[in-house]
Amino acid sequence: DAGVIQSPRHEVTEMGQEVTLRCKPISGHNSLFWYRQTMMRGLELLIYFNNNVPIDDSGMPEDRFSAKMPNASFSTLKIQPSEPRDSAVYFCASRPLGGSLGYTFGSGTRLTVV
Amino acid sequence: AQKVTQAQTEISVVEKEDVTLDCVYETRDTTYYLFWYKQPPSGELVFLIRRNSFDEQNEISGRYSWNFQKSTSSFNFTITASQVVDSAVYFCALSEGGATNKLIFGTGTLLAVQP
Repeated sequence: DAGVIQSPRHEVTEMGQEVTLRCKPISGHNSLFWYRQTMMRGLELLIYFNNNVPIDDSGMPEDRFSAKMPNASFSTLKIQPSEPRDSAVYFCASRPLGGSLGYTFGSGTRLTVV
Repeated sequence: AQKVTQAQTEISVVEKEDVTLDCVYETRDTTYYLFWYKQPPSGELVFLIRRNSFDEQNEISGRYSWNFQKSTSSFNFTITASQVVDSAVYFCALSEGGATNKLIFGTGTLLAVQP
């Protein structure tokens, strides 16, 4: 089991550029979550999917953020255009839908927008 | 709405001391799950424990123990005989049962264990 795989691990981009973060959930996990971690706001849930369908995107900060899950093994979080205040660590997590099993987190993507 | 409060922002102890990290939660659901995660300086989120709302038995795993009390909506975490390697940020989190599947985190407690 390779765990939840996120790429890239680090991303430095200039303000105004498009940024795409990627996540591969654990095989068989049909819920996927995107979190953002900052010093000011802690760990915030941005959006989550059940069976590839977005269920709750109320945490997405603004229209510059979008997330997709085209299939069960891949999800993207896109920021366009990026701003310095988007600098954060973005975590992806997955879990099996239902039951009481835990959430497994990826290693995160550290995004720096300059 | 679900909410998790970790009132202790930072705790500093000397190695071998016992330390308790507090967690208070709010939820309207009768079925819910509580979690603790550890985030060491390397940044990854490490799962420590999960409890469901119907199981109030305390749990012990090595030097770690957890005290779940529904009457006070608390799920506290104790590290016995702390070690420098325990230095990390610890997060308490809550997931409500049913179709709502999201995991909501507290603000975390930074534990510094001094040698």
